[in-house]
Amino acid sequence: KAGVTQTPRYLIKTRGQQVTLSCSPISGHRSVSWYQQTPGQGLQFLFEYFSETQRNKGNFPGRFSGRQFSNSRSEMNVSTLELGDSALYLCASREASGRMGQFFGPGTRLTVL
Amino acid sequence: GEDVEQSLFLSVREGDSSVINCTYTDSSSTYLYWYKQEPGAGLQLLTYIFSNMDMKQDQRLTVLLNKKDKHLSLRIADTQTGDSAIYFCAEGSGSARQLTFGSGTQLTVLP
Repeated sequence: KAGVTQTPRYLIKTRGQQVTLSCSPISGHRSVSWYQQTPGQGLQFLFEYFSETQRNKGNFPGRFSGRQFSNSRSEMNVSTLELGDSALYLCASREASGRMGQFFGPGTRLTVL
Repeated sequence: GEDVEQSLFLSVREGDSSVINCTYTDSSSTYLYWYKQEPGAGLQLLTYIFSNMDMKQDQRLTVLLNKKDKHLSLRIADTQTGDSAIYFCAEGSGSARQLTFGSGTQLTVLP
């Protein structure tokens, strides 16, 4: 099976702009989670979607949002970008029971200037 | 809230064993995972252990879980230069929808 794919791999934006990141999960996986990775805060959970519904949300401002489509593909959006949003954004998918772990994509490196 | 702690650095000689340690605070942690991250890459799931297990072996990897002390370790036998990476410990409670990660341990393998 193909792994989790994320597009684009790299993005450069300026403060105040908005950005949309895309994630395609492993075939058959209906749960998609998003994480932010920064040198200062490490890996932090953003949100999780299952069957087009957000089930869990981390402690991030409302500028961070996401959605999931009927084919399980997911997008996350960050509006009004701030310098501190520069990070590696990782998407992970898992099968229904989730016990075997989450499988991560290569990430999107976002730089906000 | 949940917290997962790891030491930041570990350096070993090629061929030696590496032991990476992790402690967690959430007593309801059901699933514990080890991930590997190489430069510029995402996270690779290495192995996992359920809270009702004490040990799991998978080729060169051995995971030990001490539930009483909330301590998890990853032993890599015959460490190779290709094992140089950052290793993350992560815990998930309930259905493990949300993982809490440690800060990662940078493993350097010296020739």
